[in-house]
Amino acid sequence: AQSVTQLGSHVSVSEGALVLLRCNYSSSVSVYLFWYVQYPNQGLQLLLKYLSGSTLVKGINGFEAEFNKSQTSFHLRKPSVHISDTAEYFCAVSDYRGSNYKLTFGKGTLLTVNP
Amino acid sequence: DSGVTQTPKHLITATGQRVTLRCSPRSGDLSVYWYQQSLDQGLQFLIQYYNGEERAKGNILERFSAQQFPDLHSELNLSSLELGDSALYFCASSVVFGDEQFFGPGTRLTVL
Repeated sequence: AQSVTQLGSHVSVSEGALVLLRCNYSSSVSVYLFWYVQYPNQGLQLLLKYLSGSTLVKGINGFEAEFNKSQTSFHLRKPSVHISDTAEYFCAVSDYRGSNYKLTFGKGTLLTVNP
Repeated sequence: DSGVTQTPKHLITATGQRVTLRCSPRSGDLSVYWYQQSLDQGLQFLIQYYNGEERAKGNILERFSAQQFPDLHSELNLSSLELGDSALYFCASSVVFGDEQFFGPGTRLTVL
């Protein structure tokens, strides 16, 4: 069974700082990987995705992530965060075994950006 | 705006009751997914439909059921509600399997 581990349930940084949100997954087959963001009282919005190809993926709002197959990781980073990046971030994995493409989510990391 | 709509936005009901949550996917999306988000369980996949047929089941209780209609909208039925069913219920849709899922704004269910 797939599982996703996000290290750190809460990360607090100052505006302008670099932020790294960690995600490790376990799956015995090839996977698709996603990062979603959830702003307060809203649904989930896709930040970026890795399906195949280049392991460095760029997303919206200046976020990027690197897929590392050997370490089964998909860490999210942003070089300089803004207060508006305060939100909860979810890493998710979907494997393409059979017709089951459900997303398995991590527990989420709440990012707080302080002025 | 993801293009996925969910109604109602909020629902307050009592234990033992039955409710129906509705989801309209993005135009052209054939796949619909239902997820439950709670503080203790996080985001959990419930069920997936593709073009009217059930394709995958997750941690969905027997008291819960869903269907996808010919116009591709989907309904999630929750019956014999318990306090622990209080959660945010999200619907998502995608064009094809495995690709990006677009999430609706959710329905917040409160069981008193």
